[in-house]
Amino acid sequence: EAQVTQNPRYLITVTGKKLTVTCSQNMNHEYMSWYRQDPGLGLRQIYYSMNVEVTDKGDVPEGYKVSRKEKRNFPLILESPSPNQTSLYFCASKRGGNSPLHFGNGTRLTVT
Amino acid sequence: GQQVMQIPQYQHVQEGEDFTTYCNSSTTLSNIQWYKQRPGGHPVFLIQLVKSGEVKKQKRLTFQFGEAKKNSSLHITATQTTDVGTYFCAEATNDYKLSFGAGTTVTVRA
Repeated sequence: EAQVTQNPRYLITVTGKKLTVTCSQNMNHEYMSWYRQDPGLGLRQIYYSMNVEVTDKGDVPEGYKVSRKEKRNFPLILESPSPNQTSLYFCASKRGGNSPLHFGNGTRLTVT
Repeated sequence: GQQVMQIPQYQHVQEGEDFTTYCNSSTTLSNIQWYKQRPGGHPVFLIQLVKSGEVKKQKRLTFQFGEAKKNSSLHITATQTTDVGTYFCAEATNDYKLSFGAGTTVTVRA
């Protein structure tokens, strides 16, 4: 089944404790992206990757890192999480051009 | 930041009634994609509009792209409880950036 898989689904952590949210897709998509969703703000892009070893900042990249060592994986790293990073995070992938995004099931992160 | 504005933010609908949600921009849009997110779920692609004045239908859902390509609308007829969720419009400004509106959250009164 074609899908984008994120883990974990839920994560509660404390300020400053490094964490990684994993994302994997099995559709051989070149493009992958991370979004955060906050009430009233919709989905805001954090980082995206056009291909292996090619990543760039989205609209809200501060406090996040990503890597794209393999085509299927695109982990999101929070080196020192802060409470304002409490949010619902989505990983997504797509083929090139204006093709639609396929989203993962989301990761709800709480930073206390 | 967001280039597309969605109104209303919330839509409470009586089951069986129709409603419309709008997506507006101050600039010309290259194209519009619509997504639906069920409560507790993830956004799922519904449709893409590219041409000026384009109208597409999916059962009870009608999507329209404005003649000037500065707005789009989603009209749902005979609302059902399965229509509950948040509807997002998004503009693909280029191959790597999809800018989402804040969404319209729809609740249905049975």
